[in-house]
Formats: sequence, C-alpha cells, structure tokens
Amino acid sequence: TQLLEQSPQFLSIQEGENLTVYCNSSSVFSSLQWYRQEPGEGPVLLVTVVTGGEVKKLKRLTFQFGDARKDSSLHITAAQPGDTGLYLCAGRIQGAQKLVFGQGTRLTINP
Amino acid sequence: ETGVTQSPTHLIKTRGQQVTLRCSSQSGHNTVSWYQQALGQGPQFIFQYYREEENGRGNFPPRFSGLQFPNYSSELNVNALELDDSALYLCASAMGAKDGYTFGSGTRLTVV
Repeated sequence: TQLLEQSPQFLSIQEGENLTVYCNSSSVFSSLQWYRQEPGEGPVLLVTVVTGGEVKKLKRLTFQFGDARKDSSLHITAAQPGDTGLYLCAGRIQGAQKLVFGQGTRLTINP
Repeated sequence: ETGVTQSPTHLIKTRGQQVTLRCSSQSGHNTVSWYQQALGQGPQFIFQYYREEENGRGNFPPRFSGLQFPNYSSELNVNALELDDSALYLCASAMGAKDGYTFGSGTRLTVV
C-alpha cells in the first residue's frame, strides 16, 4: 500500500492546456515537497509547503497544501513541452525522519 | 556549491556479490539519505544519517547498511545482492532534517 497516492500516474496533453496533479494520503504530514525528475537524473526540489492551506506559486506552477495537511496539488497553467517530466510529491510524517514519496506522475506535453 | 555527487554512475554485479556506492554531500549539508528507485516507481527510503549517526530507516533488510563520515560523505553497502536489488540508488543531502533535499544523479545498479 502506497502511503502517498498520486493521480493521475500518466498524463499526456497538448501545449497550452492546464493540468492538475493530486497527491493524497490518510496520514498527516509536517511538510510536503514536490520534485521533478528528468530521465537519468535525480529529483530536483520545486517547492516545500509546511502550513495547512498554504499556496505557493512558481511561475506557471501553483502548489497547494490541504488544510488538514494530508493532501496536496500541483496545478500547471499553459503547459509547455519543457514541463515534461516525472513529478513526485514527498511528505515528512510528523515525528519521523524519513521522506515518503508518491509513485509519481509522468507528464508529457505535446507541441 | 558543488551539489551532490555519486559514484559510480553505472554498475553491473552478479547475484550474491557485495557492492559499495558512494556519495559526496553538498557543502554544508550534515544530513544524508539514501533511496532506492525501481523503474517507473517513486524513490523508497532506505536510511538517513545525521552527523554520522543513523537516525531513520525504511523497510529494507539488514544486508543494506551504510556509513556517514566526518566530512558528511556517505556510503551505501549491499551484501548478498539479489536480482530485485536492480534499481537506481539515489543519495540526497540537506542542511537539516526539515529542509528540502538536494539529490545526486544516482547510481544505476544492475544485478545479473
């Protein structure tokens, strides 16, 4: 059983469209991070959210942490081919040291 | 800053052998974590070291062991390799346990 469930697992859309990726759990997290991973590379940190209800924006990317700190979403506006990659959410369970990852969302933006 | 570097980048081993993977953490980072990423999956936490002490471990058997050195670099050792150990092994470092992690590019291990 995956502690963090990401949906969808695969998404292929046209350039210019909007999309949302979800990250859900029944556990409460002290913080949640989003990473992007390119083939042959390690994940690169995009954002960390720590407060329930927090919203952070990174250019065309909007990240939201759920009020109860159990879920998060990543919204991309006007997707571009350069957004193609594997998007991973990762949460730190309260009181634990480890970072738990979701299984990832493989995003393909077609020109 | 130099980032996180891992060596080797690729490795092929035979079932039953032992392997050591190495990681140099980003300058100033005192926390190192190791992850196993199977093809098409998210990274799975193996263990974490903070100032040379293991302070967290995932659901991996004891044949997965590690070390962190005084300069905060780290090693991952895997004994009695199994075919299912074939994966990308990622090292990540952070300034503290609550910070975001900087990942290396990983070591691709293939067990045949």
